[in-house]
Amino acid sequence: NAGVTQTPKFRILKIGQSMTLQCTQDMNHNYMYWYRQDPGMGLKLIYYSVGAGITDKGEVPNGYNVSRSTTEDFPLRLELAAPSQTSVYFCASSPVSETQYFGPGTRLLVL
Amino acid sequence: GENVEQHPSTLSVQEGDSAVIKCTYSDSASNYFPWYKQELGKRPQLIIDIRSNVGEKKDQRIAVTLNKTAKHFSLHITETQPEDSAVYFCAASSFSKKLTFGTGTRLTIIP
Repeated sequence: NAGVTQTPKFRILKIGQSMTLQCTQDMNHNYMYWYRQDPGMGLKLIYYSVGAGITDKGEVPNGYNVSRSTTEDFPLRLELAAPSQTSVYFCASSPVSETQYFGPGTRLLVL
Repeated sequence: GENVEQHPSTLSVQEGDSAVIKCTYSDSASNYFPWYKQELGKRPQLIIDIRSNVGEKKDQRIAVTLNKTAKHFSLHITETQPEDSAVYFCAASSFSKKLTFGTGTRLTIIP
């Protein structure tokens, strides 16, 4: 199993541009999550999903959107990039047991 | 919502000595408490977890203790080694399956 994979690894965006961060898991986990981690800080939950077709907001959802059309994929959309969205983004998935497995992360720089 | 506080923010320990990191949580409904280790530039990785029906759990040099009455839990690392140097995060979740993370502890092992 590849586990949780994320693309791209690194991206530079200009203010106002849009992009989609991809996340895929091959462990058949129902739960998927998006976090952001600012430098020297902990992880903050952006959005999460308990299954295909079901998503909900986390602690810091403003400026982001998600969709969950399949069990495997959970893309995160930034519509109008702002410098405050410069961060490292981690996707994670978990089975019912709550143990979350993280992807390698996407480093985003907004200039 | 849940609030998790973690102390200390930095910790330096002589190689071979023990390290202790403490966390407190606010939501008495929280029932799952994982600890993650994050090396520089890498993803968080689960090192140990504990559920609310257990007071202590050990895995080789790592142990976690939970005091539900006081709403705090701790990570203990014995016989520390240079490869233990990393940032450690505690987290808590309830039936919602959403993890709330602490702000992290940067552990440095001094050779």
